[in-house]
Amino acid sequence: DVKVTQSSRYLVKRTGEKVFLECVQDMDHENMFWYRQDPGLGLRLIYFSYDVKMKEKGDIPEGYSVSREKKERFSLILESASTNQTSMYLCASSIPQGFGYGYTFGSGTRLTVV
Amino acid sequence: AQSVTQPDIHITVSEGASLELRCNYSYGATPYLFWYVQSPGQGLQLLLKYFSGDTLVQGIKGFEAEFKRSQSSFNLRKPSVHWSDAAEYFCAVFSTDSWGKLQFGAGTQVVVTP
Repeated sequence: DVKVTQSSRYLVKRTGEKVFLECVQDMDHENMFWYRQDPGLGLRLIYFSYDVKMKEKGDIPEGYSVSREKKERFSLILESASTNQTSMYLCASSIPQGFGYGYTFGSGTRLTVV
Repeated sequence: AQSVTQPDIHITVSEGASLELRCNYSYGATPYLFWYVQSPGQGLQLLLKYFSGDTLVQGIKGFEAEFKRSQSSFNLRKPSVHWSDAAEYFCAVFSTDSWGKLQFGAGTQVVVTP
C-alpha cells in the first residue's frame, strides 16, 4: 500500500515562528499536494508539486511556501506563523494520471498557533 | 471552473437505518468524481470513484454511489449504517486544468445514534 507519512500529528507554535510541516511518500508518486482543512470549508489546496523542484500555487497560497528537493518529500513552510493558520494540514500524493486513482492522504497535522 | 456542493453539513442517522449523502457538481464535461471518508483524527480514505461506464458504483465498507448526469449529482448511499460509519464524508471532482487537482466539497458530518 502507498503510504503518505506526515512527521507530526500535533504541533503548537508561537506567532511569528517559522514552521515546517514534512510529508514523505514511499511509492514514487510524481504529484504531491498540501491541503488545509477547516470546519465548514472542506479541503482547500495550498500548493502542489508535479515534479522535483517544481511547484504550483493552489487556491490559498498566501503565507505559505513549499519545498520539494527530493521526489518523496514535500515540505510546507509557514514563513511567519499567525493564529489564522491554526488548522488541520493534509498532505496527499498521486501518480500523474491521478484522476483514475484519486489521491492517497496522510493522517494530517493539527497545527495550533498561539 | 469546477465546483462541488454538499448541501448537508450534518446528518444524524440511527444504527441500522439507511444513509444517503448528497453531492452536486458543476462541470462542463464528463466529470471524474470521488467520495472520501475521514474518521476522527485520521486522513482521508477513498470510498469509491466514478469516471466512466456503469453509473452505479460500488465502493468499500458497503457504500455505493450513483452518477446522474441530468441532475449533476453523485449521491452516496449505504443500506444499513454501522456505528463505525460515524465520520466526515467528502465529495470531490477532478479538475482537468493543468496538473489535475481535486476540488472538494465542504463535507458532511455523519453521526450514528444507537
